[in-house]
Amino acid sequence: EAQVTQNPRYLITVTGKKLTVTCSQNMNHEYMSWYRQDPGLGLRQIYYSMNVEVTDKGDVPEGYKVSRKEKRNFPLILESPSPNQTSLYFCASSLGTGVDSPLHFGNGTRLTVT
Amino acid sequence: GENVEQHPSTLSVQEGDSAVIKCTYSDSASNYFPWYKQELGKGPQLIIDIRSNVGEKKDQRIAVTLNKTAKHFSLHITETQPEDSAVYFCAVYSSNTGKLIFGQGTTLQVKP
Repeated sequence: EAQVTQNPRYLITVTGKKLTVTCSQNMNHEYMSWYRQDPGLGLRQIYYSMNVEVTDKGDVPEGYKVSRKEKRNFPLILESPSPNQTSLYFCASSLGTGVDSPLHFGNGTRLTVT
Repeated sequence: GENVEQHPSTLSVQEGDSAVIKCTYSDSASNYFPWYKQELGKGPQLIIDIRSNVGEKKDQRIAVTLNKTAKHFSLHITETQPEDSAVYFCAVYSSNTGKLIFGQGTTLQVKP
Protein backbone atom coordinates (compact mmCIF):
# COMPACT_ATOMS: atom_id res chain seq x y z
CA GLU A 1 0.00 0.00 0.00
CA ALA A 2 1.32 3.43 -0.99
CA GLN A 3 1.87 5.45 2.14
CA VAL A 4 3.85 7.92 4.17
CA THR A 5 4.78 6.53 7.58
CA GLN A 6 5.69 8.73 10.51
CA ASN A 7 6.91 7.63 13.91
CA PRO A 8 6.14 8.06 16.67
CA ARG A 9 2.47 9.11 16.62
CA TYR A 10 2.71 10.72 20.05
CA LEU A 11 5.75 12.10 21.82
CA ILE A 12 6.09 13.90 25.15
CA THR A 13 9.50 15.27 26.00
CA VAL A 14 11.22 17.90 28.08
CA THR A 15 12.88 21.13 27.03
CA GLY A 16 16.33 20.59 25.58
CA LYS A 17 16.20 16.84 25.04
CA LYS A 18 17.09 16.08 21.43
CA LEU A 19 14.54 14.10 19.46
CA THR A 20 13.99 12.75 15.96
CA VAL A 21 10.71 12.13 14.18
CA THR A 22 11.09 9.65 11.36
CA CYS A 23 9.32 9.77 8.00
CA SER A 24 9.41 7.18 5.26
CA GLN A 25 7.55 6.89 1.93
CA ASN A 26 7.27 3.90 -0.38
CA MET A 27 6.14 5.71 -3.55
CA ASN A 28 9.57 6.64 -4.93
CA HIS A 29 8.66 10.30 -4.58
CA GLU A 30 11.32 12.93 -5.25
CA TYR A 31 9.78 15.65 -3.07
CA MET A 32 9.33 15.44 0.69
CA SER A 33 8.32 18.06 3.19
CA TRP A 34 7.57 18.67 6.87
CA TYR A 35 4.68 20.78 8.14
CA ARG A 36 3.44 21.82 11.52
CA GLN A 37 -0.23 22.35 12.22
CA ASP A 38 -1.33 24.82 14.86
CA PRO A 39 -4.89 26.05 15.60
CA GLY A 40 -5.81 29.04 13.48
CA LEU A 41 -2.55 28.91 11.53
CA GLY A 42 -3.17 26.02 9.18
CA LEU A 43 -0.26 24.00 7.83
CA ARG A 44 3.08 25.76 7.77
CA GLN A 45 6.07 24.33 5.99
CA ILE A 46 9.20 23.70 8.07
CA TYR A 47 11.65 22.18 5.59
CA TYR A 48 11.45 20.48 2.25
CA SER A 49 13.61 18.35 0.00
CA MET A 50 13.52 18.22 -3.78
CA ASN A 51 15.76 15.13 -3.94
CA VAL A 52 18.46 13.20 -2.12
CA GLU A 53 20.96 15.52 -0.40
CA VAL A 54 18.91 18.58 -1.43
CA THR A 55 17.06 20.30 1.41
CA ASP A 56 15.80 23.84 1.91
CA LYS A 57 14.06 25.95 4.51
CA GLY A 58 10.33 26.44 4.47
CA ASP A 59 8.44 29.20 6.24
CA VAL A 60 9.16 28.23 9.86
CA PRO A 61 12.55 26.44 9.96
CA GLU A 62 13.94 27.85 13.23
CA GLY A 63 14.77 25.14 15.76
CA TYR A 64 14.55 22.26 13.28
CA LYS A 65 16.95 20.23 11.15
CA VAL A 66 16.37 17.67 8.44
CA SER A 67 18.41 15.30 6.33
CA ARG A 68 17.77 13.39 3.11
CA LYS A 69 20.42 10.69 2.77
CA GLU A 70 18.06 8.28 1.04
CA LYS A 71 15.12 8.94 -1.24
CA ARG A 72 12.56 7.26 0.99
CA ASN A 73 13.50 8.81 4.36
CA PHE A 74 13.26 12.37 5.60
CA PRO A 75 13.71 12.65 9.39
CA LEU A 76 12.91 15.80 11.34
CA ILE A 77 15.37 16.62 14.11
CA LEU A 78 14.81 18.92 17.06
CA GLU A 79 18.24 19.44 18.62
CA SER A 80 16.96 21.35 21.65
CA PRO A 81 13.15 21.32 21.75
CA SER A 82 11.30 24.19 23.39
CA PRO A 83 7.65 24.48 24.49
CA ASN A 84 6.77 26.61 21.43
CA GLN A 85 7.51 23.56 19.30
CA THR A 86 4.57 21.75 20.85
CA SER A 87 2.48 21.03 17.79
CA LEU A 88 1.08 18.45 15.37
CA TYR A 89 3.66 17.55 12.73
CA PHE A 90 3.05 16.09 9.30
CA CYS A 91 5.43 14.65 6.79
CA ALA A 92 4.34 14.70 3.14
CA SER A 93 5.69 13.53 -0.18
CA SER A 94 4.90 13.98 -3.88
CA LEU A 95 6.33 13.15 -7.28
CA GLY A 96 7.27 16.77 -7.85
CA THR A 97 5.80 20.14 -7.02
CA GLY A 98 2.81 22.05 -8.33
CA VAL A 99 0.20 20.91 -10.79
CA ASP A 100 -0.46 17.18 -11.00
CA SER A 101 1.74 16.47 -7.98
CA PRO A 102 -0.63 16.07 -5.05
CA LEU A 103 0.91 15.78 -1.63
CA HIS A 104 0.53 12.52 0.28
CA PHE A 105 0.56 13.06 4.03
CA GLY A 106 1.47 10.82 6.92
CA ASN A 107 -0.90 10.47 9.87
CA GLY A 108 0.93 12.97 12.01
CA THR A 109 3.06 13.14 15.14
CA ARG A 110 1.68 14.99 18.12
CA LEU A 111 4.61 16.47 20.04
CA THR A 112 4.39 17.97 23.50
CA VAL A 113 7.43 19.75 24.97
CA THR A 114 7.23 20.57 28.68
CA GLY B 1 4.78 36.47 -0.60
CA GLU B 2 1.54 34.64 -1.18
CA ASN B 3 -1.21 35.24 1.37
CA VAL B 4 -4.07 32.75 1.62
CA GLU B 5 -7.15 33.51 3.72
CA GLN B 6 -9.75 30.83 4.41
CA HIS B 7 -13.25 31.39 5.79
CA PRO B 8 -15.09 30.44 7.85
CA SER B 9 -12.90 28.85 10.50
CA THR B 10 -15.82 26.71 11.71
CA LEU B 11 -19.01 25.69 9.96
CA SER B 12 -21.92 23.70 11.32
CA VAL B 13 -24.67 22.43 8.99
CA GLN B 14 -27.57 20.04 9.18
CA GLU B 15 -27.26 16.77 7.32
CA GLY B 16 -28.48 17.21 3.77
CA ASP B 17 -27.68 20.92 3.64
CA SER B 18 -24.91 22.44 1.53
CA ALA B 19 -21.61 23.77 2.83
CA VAL B 20 -19.40 26.40 1.22
CA ILE B 21 -15.83 27.27 2.19
CA LYS B 22 -14.04 30.18 0.56
CA CYS B 23 -10.38 31.06 0.09
CA THR B 24 -8.77 34.21 -1.22
CA TYR B 25 -5.20 34.58 -2.42
CA SER B 26 -2.93 37.44 -3.41
CA ASP B 27 -0.41 36.16 -5.99
CA SER B 28 -1.76 36.52 -9.51
CA ALA B 29 0.80 33.93 -10.72
CA SER B 30 -0.96 31.22 -8.70
CA ASN B 31 -2.12 28.47 -11.04
CA TYR B 32 -3.13 25.43 -8.99
CA PHE B 33 -5.71 25.23 -6.20
CA PRO B 34 -6.13 21.94 -4.32
CA TRP B 35 -8.45 21.16 -1.41
CA TYR B 36 -7.52 18.72 1.34
CA LYS B 37 -9.72 16.96 3.88
CA GLN B 38 -8.33 15.98 7.25
CA GLU B 39 -10.28 13.43 9.25
CA LEU B 40 -9.73 13.05 12.95
CA GLY B 41 -6.37 11.44 13.74
CA LYS B 42 -5.27 11.37 10.11
CA GLY B 43 -3.24 13.44 7.72
CA PRO B 44 -4.82 15.71 5.09
CA GLN B 45 -5.93 13.99 1.91
CA LEU B 46 -6.51 15.59 -1.49
CA ILE B 47 -10.21 15.59 -2.40
CA ILE B 48 -10.39 17.89 -5.42
CA ASP B 49 -8.22 20.39 -7.24
CA ILE B 50 -8.55 22.95 -10.01
CA ARG B 51 -6.14 24.60 -12.38
CA SER B 52 -6.17 28.27 -13.25
CA ASN B 53 -7.49 27.69 -16.79
CA VAL B 54 -10.70 26.12 -15.48
CA GLY B 55 -13.60 27.90 -13.78
CA GLU B 56 -15.34 24.97 -12.14
CA LYS B 57 -14.78 21.29 -11.44
CA LYS B 58 -17.19 18.76 -9.96
CA ASP B 59 -16.76 15.32 -8.47
CA GLN B 60 -20.03 13.83 -7.25
CA ARG B 61 -21.12 15.91 -4.24
CA ILE B 62 -18.12 18.21 -4.17
CA ALA B 63 -17.25 21.05 -6.51
CA VAL B 64 -14.70 23.81 -6.65
CA THR B 65 -15.18 27.16 -8.36
CA LEU B 66 -12.42 29.60 -9.23
CA ASN B 67 -12.67 33.33 -9.90
CA LYS B 68 -9.22 34.38 -11.12
CA THR B 69 -10.15 38.02 -11.51
CA ALA B 70 -11.26 38.32 -7.91
CA LYS B 71 -8.57 35.87 -6.73
CA HIS B 72 -10.86 33.58 -4.81
CA PHE B 73 -11.98 29.99 -5.01
CA SER B 74 -14.56 28.00 -3.11
CA LEU B 75 -15.34 24.43 -2.10
CA HIS B 76 -18.99 23.42 -2.34
CA ILE B 77 -20.31 20.27 -0.69
CA THR B 78 -23.92 19.37 -1.45
CA GLU B 79 -26.19 16.94 0.41
CA THR B 80 -23.79 16.84 3.33
CA GLN B 81 -23.44 13.65 5.35
CA PRO B 82 -21.97 13.07 8.84
CA GLU B 83 -18.86 11.54 7.25
CA ASP B 84 -18.15 14.93 5.65
CA SER B 85 -17.32 16.22 9.15
CA ALA B 86 -13.60 17.05 9.07
CA VAL B 87 -11.11 19.88 8.78
CA TYR B 88 -10.79 21.22 5.24
CA PHE B 89 -7.75 23.08 3.94
CA CYS B 90 -7.45 25.07 0.76
CA ALA B 91 -4.03 25.53 -0.79
CA VAL B 92 -2.53 27.71 -3.49
CA TYR B 93 0.46 26.92 -5.67
CA SER B 94 2.35 29.80 -7.21
CA SER B 95 4.40 29.17 -10.33
CA ASN B 96 6.45 32.24 -9.36
CA THR B 97 7.67 30.92 -6.03
CA GLY B 98 7.19 27.18 -6.60
CA LYS B 99 5.52 27.01 -3.19
CA LEU B 100 2.24 25.53 -1.98
CA ILE B 101 0.65 27.71 0.72
CA PHE B 102 -2.19 26.43 2.86
CA GLY B 103 -5.16 28.27 4.27
CA GLN B 104 -5.93 28.28 7.99
CA GLY B 105 -8.43 25.43 7.82
CA THR B 106 -12.20 25.09 8.30
CA THR B 107 -13.72 22.69 10.78
CA LEU B 108 -16.97 21.38 9.27
CA GLN B 109 -19.49 19.70 11.49
CA VAL B 110 -22.46 17.94 9.91
CA LYS B 111 -25.22 17.28 12.42
CA PRO B 112 -27.36 14.19 11.84
